[in-house]
Amino acid sequence: DAKTTQPPSMDCAEGRAANLPCNHSTISGNEYVYWYRQIHSQGPQYIIHGLKNNETNEMASLIITEDRKSSTLILPHATLRDTAVYYCIAAWGTYKYIFGTGTRLKVLA
Amino acid sequence: GAVVSQHPSRVICKSGTSVKIECRSLDFQATTMFWYRQFPKQSLMLMATSNEGSKATYEQGVEKDKFLINHASLTLSTLTVTSAHPEDSSFYICSAKGGGSNTGELFFGEGSRLTVL
Repeated sequence: DAKTTQPPSMDCAEGRAANLPCNHSTISGNEYVYWYRQIHSQGPQYIIHGLKNNETNEMASLIITEDRKSSTLILPHATLRDTAVYYCIAAWGTYKYIFGTGTRLKVLA
Repeated sequence: GAVVSQHPSRVICKSGTSVKIECRSLDFQATTMFWYRQFPKQSLMLMATSNEGSKATYEQGVEKDKFLINHASLTLSTLTVTSAHPEDSSFYICSAKGGGSNTGELFFGEGSRLTVL
């Protein structure tokens, strides 16, 4: 799997958009970008995934650069419950999913 | 979304005993399951990949005789920590992927916290 790199931590004010970047410069053509988050002592929760096009769902938006070497997860209106560790993964099919160190997002009141 | 359930959520055992953790896909068939281990304030570390009906594939450095994985059906995978020692204390998490789309997400269990005394 492609190695992904993320900033170790970020702060965001409650109600503002949280933009979490991820670098995956060695991603291969058939690998998707997946985002998960983990709240303390729970299993990771799926957020969104995409291949080339930008994606949006009820939780977040995913912006993938045209060269696919990086992406940004956007939480449009962050709440205190969005405080978690966010992981970006590049993977395909049933091949193993490798977690990087993630970004610890803290939403501030 | 699909549900993956782990049991037990917490287990405390004495050193030298074996502990079995179950991972079930409740509303879908999981051809592939992954087992992860997570130490405090660290990321998830992949231990092994199990495919239904075949032997698990272990990551480098993970002892297959110590961490026995069985994926006997499309809805159940088990991880047995044999002769557990305090250094095996960790948060164990399983995940499952359905047999359908190759592009779909992984579904994760709630995790099982093992404490070895």
